[in-house]
Amino acid sequence: QVQLQESGPGLVKPSETLSLTCTVSGGSISGYYWSWIRQSPGEGLEWIGYLSNTGSTFYNPSLKSRVTISVDTSRNHFSLRLNSVTAADTAVYYCGRSNGYGDYDYWGQGTLVTVSS
Amino acid sequence: QTVVTQEPSFSVSPGGTVTLTCGLTSASVSTDNYASWYQQTPGQAPRTLIYTTNSRSSGVPDRFSGSILGNKAALTITGAQADDESDYYCALYMGSGVWVFGGGTKLTVL
Repeated sequence: QVQLQESGPGLVKPSETLSLTCTVSGGSISGYYWSWIRQSPGEGLEWIGYLSNTGSTFYNPSLKSRVTISVDTSRNHFSLRLNSVTAADTAVYYCGRSNGYGDYDYWGQGTLVTVSS
Repeated sequence: QTVVTQEPSFSVSPGGTVTLTCGLTSASVSTDNYASWYQQTPGQAPRTLIYTTNSRSSGVPDRFSGSILGNKAALTITGAQADDESDYYCALYMGSGVWVFGGGTKLTVL
């Protein structure tokens, strides 16, 4: 059974970098699309970006200048970095596996990241 | 800026049928947008219901169906049950690897 687990600091200071890792267990990280999606408290879902099955990355245009998604196949995990965070980046961050056509079959449980001094 | 629109809220009676829609402010939704639908209950990760307009994700009952209605994507729930009470989000593929979520619809079953 594939499982995804987000990890990283739950508190980040304004202007600093948010870094999260999604560890994939029970399956290979190869051959799928790996996404980050976030949800601000009481708000809707926001697509951040994904790493495709060919290793290409695609990002939300509104976040593109601040976000990087990368993969470490040796550790079977992928990561999110979001620079220059503000309070508006406070959210639950989810990682997910999809087929590239919107069908997410596995999700992490989500991790709350709060941006505050 | 492209905005994906959804009804903020909807209600349906138990056993009834409801259709939620997903549109674009500046264009019509087509099959090229690979419309996807997700169900989310509080504190939980989303669950995929429908992808590529009308394909049901694994394990999703056939009470849930997707389509294009007019210029919007649509999610139809037939025989609504109490545990269908959730938030429903659509996502549209905008090309160049970019996806956009709608603001979500809060469905009440009463």
